[in-house]
Amino acid sequence: GIQVEQSPPDLILQEGANSTLRCNFSDSVNNLQWFHQNPWGQLINLFYIPSGTKQNGRLSATTVATERYSLLYISSSQTTDSGVYFCAVARRGGTSYGKLTFGQGTILTVHP
Amino acid sequence: DTAVSQTPKYLVTQMGNDKSIKCEQNLGHDTMYWYKQDSKKFLKIMFSYNNKELIINETVPNRFSPKSPDKAHLNLHINSLELGDSAVYFCASSQDDSHQPQHFGDGTRLSIL
Repeated sequence: GIQVEQSPPDLILQEGANSTLRCNFSDSVNNLQWFHQNPWGQLINLFYIPSGTKQNGRLSATTVATERYSLLYISSSQTTDSGVYFCAVARRGGTSYGKLTFGQGTILTVHP
Repeated sequence: DTAVSQTPKYLVTQMGNDKSIKCEQNLGHDTMYWYKQDSKKFLKIMFSYNNKELIINETVPNRFSPKSPDKAHLNLHINSLELGDSAVYFCASSQDDSHQPQHFGDGTRLSIL
């Protein structure tokens, strides 16, 4: 199956700092999503971004499908950004039928 | 107006019992999924249904039986619960089975005593 690797596994920031999270994947995809799992365990959809660039407030994401990676940028981080960030992909074609394969996550801690 | 809702949020029960988790989506989607998040936060798909038809069954023990009475509902029944079933179970839905984003419920935390 498709492999998804996220880096770094852990990230500690001071409030106000910027950060970049990376997601590498091993095959062509037709779905790539970034999620934030907050301290209450909810999975919040951040971006649906199988290719291209999107921005939403302090967050932006870029996926370079031909090179099989995606980046999530967090600017001016806030304590409420703390949690686990997941990248998930669905492999193009075959019998994947849209199943999302998740990376292992990046644990982000933002200190005041 | 919750898009994907799961009940219950928490489920604490004893080994050997049978339990069900319900999921409903009001997004008009035709594909629904169950994912399991283990104690190390790793998320993995269990099942996928498209228009009430089972599409994916990821080598899940047959103690787990999904049921889709209609395309807005996908329930998960678990027989003879084991300690290793303790996890958070997430329901999700999407407009079709691959090209659209999946929307997740808030999860059901299952604890086996």
